Amino acid sequence: NAGVTQTPKFQVLKTGQSMTLQCAQDMNHEYMSWYRQDPGMGLRLIHYSVGAGITDQGEVPNGYNVSRSTTEDFPLRLLSAAPSQTSVYFCASRPSGGVYIQYFGAGTRLSVL
Amino acid sequence: TQLLEQSPQFLSIQEGENLTVYCNSSSVFSSLQWYRQEPGEGPVLLVTVVTGGEVKKLKRLTFQFGDARKDSSLHITAAQPGDTGLYLCAGEIGFQKLVFGTGTRLLVSP
Repeated sequence: NAGVTQTPKFQVLKTGQSMTLQCAQDMNHEYMSWYRQDPGMGLRLIHYSVGAGITDQGEVPNGYNVSRSTTEDFPLRLLSAAPSQTSVYFCASRPSGGVYIQYFGAGTRLSVL
Repeated sequence: TQLLEQSPQFLSIQEGENLTVYCNSSSVFSSLQWYRQEPGEGPVLLVTVVTGGEVKKLKRLTFQFGDARKDSSLHITAAQPGDTGLYLCAGEIGFQKLVFGTGTRLLVSP
């Protein structure tokens, strides 16, 4: 059981380039989220999804797009990378209902030059 | 706006000492979670507390949720080097919305 899998683990981009951070979970969780972690800022919610075809914005959505075509996958797209998007990105999933129990992936460390 | 204040930010102690980490807010949370994160990895959930005044124990770790559900504490008894890591609290403020604290970095030396 792999849990939440993120790829790539590391990425370096130039300003203006685009890329997609991949996230997949094999626990059949309905809810998935993307966070970014910056020094001194904690984790901040970028976008989240409550099921296939349903997404919504979090606290810091600007510059990022998401879609959810399947229960398993929740990719995060950077259309035109900026140095301010240098961060560590975490994907998380959790089952709907019950006590809040969330599982995180290992993260993608992104540098934008 | 940072809704959750964690203290202390850094803590360096010797093996066998006790410690307490605090998580405070002016907001009321539906639930509050504590995570531990190690370098290069994602946060791992330790506990979720839901009821005001609730106390949960996980081996040498004791978690308490404030009566008004605005604050929480994590107490570690007889800390061990394996407890070293970044401890994060996170409060549930709305549907699928978690607010994280800035974290407490703990170093336990042998």
